[in-house]
Amino acid sequence: GNSVTQMEGPVTLSEEAFLTINCTYTATGYPSLFWYVQYPGEGLQLLLKATKADDKGSNKGFEATYRKETTSFHLEKGSVQVSDSAVYFCALSLRGANSKLTFGKGITLSVRP
Amino acid sequence: GAGVSQSPSNKVTEKGKDVELRCDPISGHTALYWYRQSLGQGLEFLIYFQGNSAPDKSGLPSDRFSAERTGGSVSTLTIQRTQQEDSAVYLCASSLVAGGLTGELFFGEGSRLTVL
Repeated sequence: GNSVTQMEGPVTLSEEAFLTINCTYTATGYPSLFWYVQYPGEGLQLLLKATKADDKGSNKGFEATYRKETTSFHLEKGSVQVSDSAVYFCALSLRGANSKLTFGKGITLSVRP
Repeated sequence: GAGVSQSPSNKVTEKGKDVELRCDPISGHTALYWYRQSLGQGLEFLIYFQGNSAPDKSGLPSDRFSAERTGGSVSTLTIQRTQQEDSAVYLCASSLVAGGLTGELFFGEGSRLTVL
């Protein structure tokens, strides 16, 4: 079956630190990959995506590269801010009219001033 | 409003009671999804609607769970004879086309269900 595995959390960093959140996947087909973010008190929202191998998604200073050879989509940011404190979810979907998103368990990031 | 609206935002009920959770998707969005978010479990898919039909209801955990969608718009998730393990945040999301094509789902803020 299809699944997404995220590194265990929570993660606590100081402001301006470098962030890496690991994500690996298992899929029966050729998936599209996504990072969603849930800020405190808000609904989940799409952060970035990549739809084919070697694509790099980027948004708000975050980046993730679709690595087919390692089945990974790790999220990185060079310098985190307090406002980046949130829960981050990695997800995949397969092509197809009735496809749904399969999410990882999520990881909580806290950034200290 | 312009976003996905869910009600109630919080529901506390007694074990054995029935509950209904409502989702009002973004106008014009044909695809609608229900997910469940439990502590330590991430987001668990429940059911997907395309228009008023449900091509994928594989995530409904038991026959106590059902959902319907009417008029291609509002959806209701019903949990009968609630159990304590049903306690979770129930999330609704909608998209203009099925998620597999673009992946951008628009989520509501969720309905937090607590079963005592």
